[in-house]
Amino acid sequence: DSGVTQTPKHLITATGQRVTLRCSPRSGDLSVYWYQQSLDQGLQFLIQYYNGEERAKGNILERFSAQQFPDLHSELNLSSLELGDSALYFCASSVAAGAGANVLTFGAGSRLTVL
Amino acid sequence: GQQVMQIPQYQHVQEGEDFTTYCNSSTTLSNIQWYKQRPGGHPVFLIQLVKSGEVKKQKRLTFQFGEAKKNSSLHITATQTTDVGTYFCAARSSNTGKLIFGQGTTLQVKP
Repeated sequence: DSGVTQTPKHLITATGQRVTLRCSPRSGDLSVYWYQQSLDQGLQFLIQYYNGEERAKGNILERFSAQQFPDLHSELNLSSLELGDSALYFCASSVAAGAGANVLTFGAGSRLTVL
Repeated sequence: GQQVMQIPQYQHVQEGEDFTTYCNSSTTLSNIQWYKQRPGGHPVFLIQLVKSGEVKKQKRLTFQFGEAKKNSSLHITATQTTDVGTYFCAARSSNTGKLIFGQGTTLQVKP
């Protein structure tokens, strides 16, 4: 157990639907990252939050949004789902944000299947 | 934007053979990290390199950071079946702060 909790572990839904993925960071970590990993693909950076504020944005689609709450948990909202959104979505947390040396601790991921 | 290129994409080796994956950046990196993802698992942090020319070892794994801090390598000596997985390098952009991962090298080890 890495200490980063992601729910749900698996999710199957239909095109056009909306889902919410949830992440609880490791205790003491203020920064949360979201990554998308499609089949045989690398880790695509979506977005990063630090202590409730958006810190960095990657190739996140406009149909996707995220936020980090005062208790530091984060949610990734995916709407108007398309077949191509099927992927493994990882949340990771780290102690601090910024240009320093931050090690990421990953959760087990949420596997989304869009039919 | 900053890109981190990793080669090869796949590598099949016989158990006992050595393995190396390379990570290259067009820009100077402040540091580089390596992660391992086992099949069906999540990425797990292995090591971080910060200094120019730095070399670190973890048992059969040797990590190097280039003198110009633009490239890095991970070398595994005498691979074992437990080494199977995908190895990712990751670097943080000094401009944007984003932590960018290489595409990963998937290692298969034949017993």
